[in-house]
Amino acid sequence: GENVEQHPSTLSVQEGDSAVIKCTYSDSASNYFPWYKQELGKRPQLIIDIRSNVGEKKDQRIAVTLNKTAKHFSLHITETQPEDSAVYFCAAEDYKLSFGAGTTVTVRA
Amino acid sequence: DTAVSQTPKYLVTQMGNDKSIKCEQNLGHDTMYWYKQDSKKFLKIMFSYNNKELIINETVPNRFSPKSPDKAHLNLHINSLELGDSAVYFCASSLGFSGGTGELFFGEGSRLTVL
Repeated sequence: GENVEQHPSTLSVQEGDSAVIKCTYSDSASNYFPWYKQELGKRPQLIIDIRSNVGEKKDQRIAVTLNKTAKHFSLHITETQPEDSAVYFCAAEDYKLSFGAGTTVTVRA
Repeated sequence: DTAVSQTPKYLVTQMGNDKSIKCEQNLGHDTMYWYKQDSKKFLKIMFSYNNKELIINETVPNRFSPKSPDKAHLNLHINSLELGDSAVYFCASSLGFSGGTGELFFGEGSRLTVL
């Protein structure tokens, strides 16, 4: 089955700086890679996703890149703001969605 | 107009008891899920149903029994609760399944505490 590893587990950045979270996956059959954001005490919510036929996708301050050959994908958040503080999960789907262990992002004002 | 709703939000119970969590979605999705989020925030899939049919059962003890009376509802019954069952249980739904799941819509979660 799919195994998703996510790094770092915690990330502290100064407001306005960029944040990068990296994930690797094991199953070359995986073809869908979403990212979820979970604020404290709330439900996870999709913030961006990418499919295997696309190398990069951007939505305002967030972007995701995918390297299928190396089996890794990354989330980039630019110009971080306090409301970006949350736990971020990457995931990869072969026949089911497998989540990484999460990255707790803290944006310091 | 809640898309995925689950009840109750909080359960506190003694070891050995039985409890149920109910979930309903009004999105018209075909697939529903139960996820368990432990104290380390790890999200792990437990079950998935597609049009009332069980399609994923992830090595979950048989004390956990899901039931889908129709494609808009997925309930979870837990027998003989153990301390290790303490977690937040999330219900979720998606339009498709496998190879095209698309966005998962999560409920607010049900926090289960076993004493």
